[in-house]
This record gives sequence, structure tokens and C-alpha cells, in this order.
Amino acid sequence: ELKVEQNPLFLSMQEGKNYTIYCNYSTTSDRLYWYRQDPGKSLESLFVLLSNGAVKQEGRLMASLDTKARLSTLHITAAVHDLSATYFCAVGKETSGSRLTFGEGTQLTVNP
Amino acid sequence: DTAVSQTPKYLVTQMGNDKSIKCEQNLGHDTMYWYKQDSKKFLKIMFSYNNKELIINETVPNRFSPKSPDKAHLNLHINSLELGDSAVYFCASSLWVANEQFFGPGTRLTVL
Repeated sequence: ELKVEQNPLFLSMQEGKNYTIYCNYSTTSDRLYWYRQDPGKSLESLFVLLSNGAVKQEGRLMASLDTKARLSTLHITAAVHDLSATYFCAVGKETSGSRLTFGEGTQLTVNP
Repeated sequence: DTAVSQTPKYLVTQMGNDKSIKCEQNLGHDTMYWYKQDSKKFLKIMFSYNNKELIINETVPNRFSPKSPDKAHLNLHINSLELGDSAVYFCASSLWVANEQFFGPGTRLTVL
């Protein structure tokens, strides 16, 4: 059974600082997604990572994938308050069809 | 121009009642999903349909019955509601089974 673990689960950081959220998964996978969820809102797709070594960047967020280590990272550069949200990684496998297994989520709070 | 829509947004009901949640997508996607997000924000897939055919049916009580009248709609009917059914239910869709999933706004179900 595929397990997905994120850490940390809670992250409080100051504006301007850098930090990384980690997503580990237990079995081989062929795709990994990062989503953002604001309180009381839906999930917004941030990144789709499909191959080993994939790196994608959007603004202050950069996601990478190491399929050999079964690890994805979401790096935050010079955090701003608007990045406060819960971030989820989700892992899929073609042999599992459309099933995505989500991590527990990382609740990020960026303080001024 | 809403991509994935759900109705209602909020649903408050008594234990034992039967209720339905509707989902529609206008993205032309073939695959649709229902997820449950509990009070700890953990997301778990419940069902997935591809072109009106059920392809994922997780360990969900048979009080929950999905129905897909066409590939743009996936409804969720819940019989004999229980307190533990209180959660946010998200509908999602993807172009095909292994693609990025786009989420609806969610339906917050409260069972009293």
C-alpha cells in the first residue's frame, strides 16, 4: 500500500526566510503533484512532476522530484504572508489507475 | 466559466436522513472523482469514474452511492447519514486517468 508522508506538518516562519517541505512516499511512483489549499477553499494545483530530476518553479515556490529516493521537496524562497496555506503532495502510479494518495498536508503560516 | 462545480456548498442535516451532492465539470474531462476531507484535513479518495464507468471504489460504506449520468456529471448520494459522515466532500476531474486532477469548491456536510 502506498504511503505518503509530509514533514513538517506545521510550519511557522517569518517573512523573508527560506524553508523546505518534504514529501516521502513508500513505493515507486510515476507522478507527483503539489496542491495548495487556503482555509475553507478548494485545492489548487501548483506543480506536476513526472520524471526523476524534474524541477519546476513558480514565483517563490520550487518543487523537485527524486524518484530514486522517493522524495519530493517544495522549497519556499523569501516567504511572504500570501503563501500562508496548507500544502499537500499527492502521489500516483499508473498501475493504480487514477488513484492519488495524499500526504497529511503541511500547514504553513508566514508571519510578518 | 467555473471548471468543476458542486452543489450545495453547505449541507446541514439530521442523522438518518438521505442527501445528495451534485458535481459537474465543463472541462471535457473523462475521469471524475469524489474525495472526503476529514476534520484533520486528511484527503482520501472514495470513488472514481472514467467515462461513466466506476474504476475506483475504496472501502466506503455502501450507504454512499455515486452516480454518473454522463461523463460531465458525478453525483454522490448518501443514505442514513451518520455523525461520522460530517466532512468536506470534494469532487475532482482529470482529462484521463493518469492526469492532473482539478478540484471543485467542496461541499461541507454537517450531520447533527
